[in-house]
Amino acid sequence: QITLKESGPTLVKPTQTLTLTCTFSGFSLSTSGVNVGWIRQPPGKALEWLALIYWDDDKRYSPSLKSRLTITKDTSKNQVVLTMTNMDPVDTATYYCAHDGRAGTTRAAFDIWGQGTMVTVSS
Amino acid sequence: QSVLTQPPSASGTPGQRVTISCSGSSSNIGSNTVNWYQQLPGTAPKLLIYSNNERPSGVPDRFSGSKSGTSASLAISGLQSEDEADYYCAAWDDSLNGWVFGGGTKLTVL
Repeated sequence: QITLKESGPTLVKPTQTLTLTCTFSGFSLSTSGVNVGWIRQPPGKALEWLALIYWDDDKRYSPSLKSRLTITKDTSKNQVVLTMTNMDPVDTATYYCAHDGRAGTTRAAFDIWGQGTMVTVSS
Repeated sequence: QSVLTQPPSASGTPGQRVTISCSGSSSNIGSNTVNWYQQLPGTAPKLLIYSNNERPSGVPDRFSGSKSGTSASLAISGLQSEDEADYYCAAWDDSLNGWVFGGGTKLTVL
């Protein structure tokens, strides 16, 4: 059974750096075709894809946020970490991590999601 | 402003069939498959349809997807009250080199 869980601060100040951890079980991020993505959702708004890390350590970022994002993985700990610099109140959102076991194929999709973690940016 | 365009709302009565559209471009829907996610109130999104028209295990066959050109549709037949949720389409975008989502459609069961 695949599970993912996000963790990190619930409140950050403007200009600070946010660090979120996705701890997962039921799969290995060293298995070919697997990737983990981060998606966020501001209150009452739509989903927005942020970043992706592949089993081979390849990475993809949302072009609009690329300069502020870094995604890394620790295969031994079954964790993926997302950092976002220079946080602003508009970054207030629920942040989700999600699993894709068929990366790079026509069947790629985020098939299992974490419960999400709400992050508020306020002074 | 989302890259994929969905109607903000849709509605239907129990037992009815409703469809939700998703419009994109040649760099996303036009050249890649479409996924649909269902988000019940207060919960994380759940994969509903992948690869245009495939259903993950456990998803009722009342839900179906289709794609034509740069547009896609989600159809829900035999509408039930528990189908009241937000629905999002998504596709890989070759120009942006990442996933793009629609703005979401809020489905109300009258």
